[in-house]
Amino acid sequence: DVKVTQSSRYLVKRTGEKVFLECVQDMDHENMFWYRQDPGLGLRLIYFSYDVKMKEKGDIPEGYSVSREKKERFSLILESTSTNQTSMYLCASIGTIGHEQYFGPGTRLTVT
Amino acid sequence: GQSLEQPSEVTAVEGAIVQINCTYQTSGFYGLSWYQQHDGGAPTFLSYNALDGLEETGRFSSFLSRSDSYGYLLLQELQMKDSASYFCAVRPTSGTYKYIFGTGTRLKVLA
Repeated sequence: DVKVTQSSRYLVKRTGEKVFLECVQDMDHENMFWYRQDPGLGLRLIYFSYDVKMKEKGDIPEGYSVSREKKERFSLILESTSTNQTSMYLCASIGTIGHEQYFGPGTRLTVT
Repeated sequence: GQSLEQPSEVTAVEGAIVQINCTYQTSGFYGLSWYQQHDGGAPTFLSYNALDGLEETGRFSSFLSRSDSYGYLLLQELQMKDSASYFCAVRPTSGTYKYIFGTGTRLKVLA
């Protein structure tokens, strides 16, 4: 019954390293999202994609980029990590018809 | 700007009823959603209100009043497993799929 998966549950990186987070959904959804979640701040949208190769910036895109080469796969790239990118990263997807977002289990990234 | 405000924490005892409010400032949106997230887990969808009024799903109900710019999630017959964080969310009509989430309410259920 797996719907949205993320490539890693926990990651520890050093400042300046590159991080590649991958998300895969099996529901043929057009829309996919990357959020970061920090205590007291809720979920904040980094980027979302509404179709293959199509993307739109969310509220906090600085320091991040994304890639969507296939419908089921949406990747978040941190080219050069910094300590303020230590956070929980959540991927989600939703169909064009519907109002329920399906979330992956999350990746807890720690940058030291 | 657009924002959704929730109380940061609510505490209640097992068997009680608790209401988690969500007040918003947004020019227009399609509907109000609620999500539950247990510690270490992913958010999971609970309910959706497209129109004003009450939606009931088992022990959980959700309410929306667009004229008052607020909604709430009502949890009845509280159980220990209801201890979790709860988020409200909207999809503004002004954008594409840029959902806005509330800051979240941590519910603690006491025995």
